[in-house]
Amino acid sequence: QVQLVDSGGGVVQSGRSLRLSCAASGFTFSSYAMHWVRQAPGKGLEWVALISHDGSNKYYTDSVKGRFTISRDSSRNTLSLQMNSLGPEDTAVYYCARDQGAWGYGYYFDYWGQGTLVTVSS
Amino acid sequence: QSVLTQPPSVSAAPGQRVTISCSGSSSNIGNNFVSWYQQLPGTAPKLLISDNNKRPSGIPDRFSGSKSGTSATLGISGLQTGDEADYYCGTWDRSLSSWVFGGGTKLTVL
Repeated sequence: QVQLVDSGGGVVQSGRSLRLSCAASGFTFSSYAMHWVRQAPGKGLEWVALISHDGSNKYYTDSVKGRFTISRDSSRNTLSLQMNSLGPEDTAVYYCARDQGAWGYGYYFDYWGQGTLVTVSS
Repeated sequence: QSVLTQPPSVSAAPGQRVTISCSGSSSNIGNNFVSWYQQLPGTAPKLLISDNNKRPSGIPDRFSGSKSGTSATLGISGLQTGDEADYYCGTWDRSLSSWVFGGGTKLTVL
């Protein structure tokens, strides 16, 4: 069965970096686009980034452009999010999610990880 | 301020029907499929409706979706206390080149 396991969250000081990972299993990882979605405490869902099935296309929400980098390693079935220059506004639970399609736009998120909490202290 | 607009909360009694609206524009809902997600307290979101009105396997037919123009609607009939959750609509926005979600709607079953 499809499984996504998020990891890498923790408490980090403002201005520092953190790298999140999402271990995928139960499906052909290289066939699907993948996303990161975050949720600040008590707030709604916010889409963060998307990477196409082959890693050739990447998109980011404006607030993280230039600071976050999404990547994937199909040999390890792993999705990553490198987060630099973190600020208190980045405090959230981060979820990885599988897109039903290969390119990431126009479909939907059919499976979600359990989430990993990132807390940025000032 | 979310790109997609949802009511912050809705409520109804057990057994009744409720609808949740999601309003957007031609750059998102008007030209793309809408999906809906249910987030039970303390858990990850779960896909409820895909492609405007399709229910994934395992989702009861009490849940339905529709789209007209630049708006979409989630319907839940035969309300149960276990349906109490936050509900989000989402779609791709062609102008922003990003996914967008509604602000979420908290459903209370009285």
